[in-house]
Amino acid sequence: AQKITQTQPGMFVQEKEAVTLDCTYDTSDPSYGLFWYKQPSSGEMIFLIYQGSYDQQNATEGRYSLNFQKARKSANLVISASQLGDSAMYFCAMREGHGGDDKIIFGKGTRLHILP
Amino acid sequence: SAVISQKPSRDICQRGTSLTIQCQVDSQVTMMFWYRQQPGQSLTLIATANQGSEATYESGFVIDKFPISRPNLTFSTLTVSNMSPEDSSIYLCSSPNGNEQFFGPGTRLTVL
Repeated sequence: AQKITQTQPGMFVQEKEAVTLDCTYDTSDPSYGLFWYKQPSSGEMIFLIYQGSYDQQNATEGRYSLNFQKARKSANLVISASQLGDSAMYFCAMREGHGGDDKIIFGKGTRLHILP
Repeated sequence: SAVISQKPSRDICQRGTSLTIQCQVDSQVTMMFWYRQQPGQSLTLIATANQGSEATYESGFVIDKFPISRPNLTFSTLTVSNMSPEDSSIYLCSSPNGNEQFFGPGTRLTVL
């Protein structure tokens, strides 16, 4: 069974609008971490944001915020005031376990297109 | 954030040959991870490389095909052996930094 589900294969959004990329996850481990990465056409994986399962506040990093709804097992990425440079593939990922030495598994990704 | 470099950045290889990819981290890390990203797909974990022990391979990946070395806490290599066109992918190494996890720039491999 898929542990990370991204239901939006592609999205088109007008520049300057806010964007929400959906991610749901499945785990029985009470300790886990959730990640979002951006992959532009160059292929590099750019770390955007991290949310720990015990974190009380939603994570934020500049224009990125993670809408963490633990009971619904949802970890949506919100990008405020989108820019043309935000056009890329976005991956949601999860690490089960408490430590940084545990492996991360990825969703299938959402391709975001920002329109001028 | 951790700085991770990979060499080569890209290569075009003939089937039946092998390619060794190098990964260097700017700080000492216990674990390093190797991922494969086939064209148009997500990332799939190949193996976890722990310094001083054998790498742990995920289902569908074997040591004979993807031997890994981890000689010290900042360096690892992944070899793609006896290559076929199906091995054409981006190969990425990764390591944690606290709770966060960072990736190298990737090696884009094309097998003819």
